[in-house]
Amino acid sequence: DVKVTQSSRYLVKRTGEKVFLECVQDMDHENMFWYRQDPGLGLRLIYFSYDVKMKEKGDIPEGYSVSREKKERFSLILESASTNQTSMYLCASRSQGAANEKLFFGSGTQLSVL
Amino acid sequence: AQSVSQHNHHVILSEAASLELGCNYSYGGTVNLFWYVQYPGQHLQLLLKYFSGDPLVKGIKGFEAEFIKSKFSFNLRKPSVQWSDTAEYFCAVNANTGFQKLVFGTGTRLLVSP
Repeated sequence: DVKVTQSSRYLVKRTGEKVFLECVQDMDHENMFWYRQDPGLGLRLIYFSYDVKMKEKGDIPEGYSVSREKKERFSLILESASTNQTSMYLCASRSQGAANEKLFFGSGTQLSVL
Repeated sequence: AQSVSQHNHHVILSEAASLELGCNYSYGGTVNLFWYVQYPGQHLQLLLKYFSGDPLVKGIKGFEAEFIKSKFSFNLRKPSVQWSDTAEYFCAVNANTGFQKLVFGTGTRLLVSP
């Protein structure tokens, strides 16, 4: 079974801190994604990466950056955390194959910015 | 760009009732359509998907969905729900060309009372 592991289940940070959210997948998937999930808004795509060192902005990239130095690891970075970034962050991966390949999701990181 | 609308935000049903959750998308080209489910405390997982062929697709746990191209719809159905179907359901779409990021709807929370 594919495993997508997010390093923290819960995280509490202060406004202005730099925050790193880590995601590792064990199935050699080329594509990786970061979403945030908010009540009533569903999942919104922050950034995605279709291969190592490649990254593309999603629909809401402001205030975030990403890093993909190794194929299995995709990091989301909040350069200066703000309260409006309090959210559930979901990492997902997918093999390069056809567009109808399913996403495999991690369990999520609930980030609270105080 | 694609977008997805889920009109029911909260649905409450009794066990054995029939379920239909609406999903409409906007995109002029060929699409792949998905329903994902998130059970309480668990990660998102694929329920079913449509990419070609028979517009009536069957998924896990007795769920099915029908793609109606003329209505840009992909409604999820189940003839008789169980308490264990309590979850949040997300419809998602991606275009069938190029690199495909998945766009999600806002989700429908289903509560099934025993």
